[in-house]
Amino acid sequence: SQTIHQWPATLVQPVGSPLSLECTVEGTSNPNLYWYRQAAGRGLQLLFYSVGIGQISSEVPQNLSASRPQDRQFILSSKKLLLSDSGFYLCAWRLEQRGSTDTQYFGPGTRLTVL
Amino acid sequence: AQSVAQPEDQVNVAEGNPLTVKCTYSVSGNPYLFWYVQYPNRGLQFLLKYITGDNLVKGSYGFEAEFNKSQTSFHLKKPSALVSDSALYFCAVRDAWDTGFQKLVFGTGTRLLVSP
Repeated sequence: SQTIHQWPATLVQPVGSPLSLECTVEGTSNPNLYWYRQAAGRGLQLLFYSVGIGQISSEVPQNLSASRPQDRQFILSSKKLLLSDSGFYLCAWRLEQRGSTDTQYFGPGTRLTVL
Repeated sequence: AQSVAQPEDQVNVAEGNPLTVKCTYSVSGNPYLFWYVQYPNRGLQFLLKYITGDNLVKGSYGFEAEFNKSQTSFHLKKPSALVSDSALYFCAVRDAWDTGFQKLVFGTGTRLLVSP
């Protein structure tokens, strides 16, 4: 079966410091991968998605970037964190198949607090 | 562009009573509809989805949802609520015409509170 991991679970960082959040998926190949941010415990905002290694699309221009160095690894980064980057970051995967109606499955999330 | 509305910020129900969490949607083509549940400080868990076929979809933990095309709604239901059902519920929609990366659009969430 497939599992998705996120690391770390919680993170407290000062303003201006760099960021690296990691997401890895096991038990599948060539998944579509997604980064979401959830602010104030409510709505989800899609940040980035990736259909393959090195292929990243950004939904919202901002202080963050994403990379996919391996098939099942998705990294969210920042060179200098802002207070507004605080939130709950969720990674999700979906199996890529022609005409697929497959579901997006979410990881456990990373709680980021920028002070 | 697709959109989802969850008109209730919070739904309160007594344990043992039926519950309904409302969702309406807007898409250009045919909708693919999903319900997720989120417990505090956890990721979203998939409950059920409607793609095609029967308008009544059954999912995990005794939940079901009814697709109503004329009312563009996909309300989540459960015949008998449990205290453990208390959580944040998200409705999401994807346009079936979107054959690209298949973007899901989420509602703002509805908090369900089941009292003993």
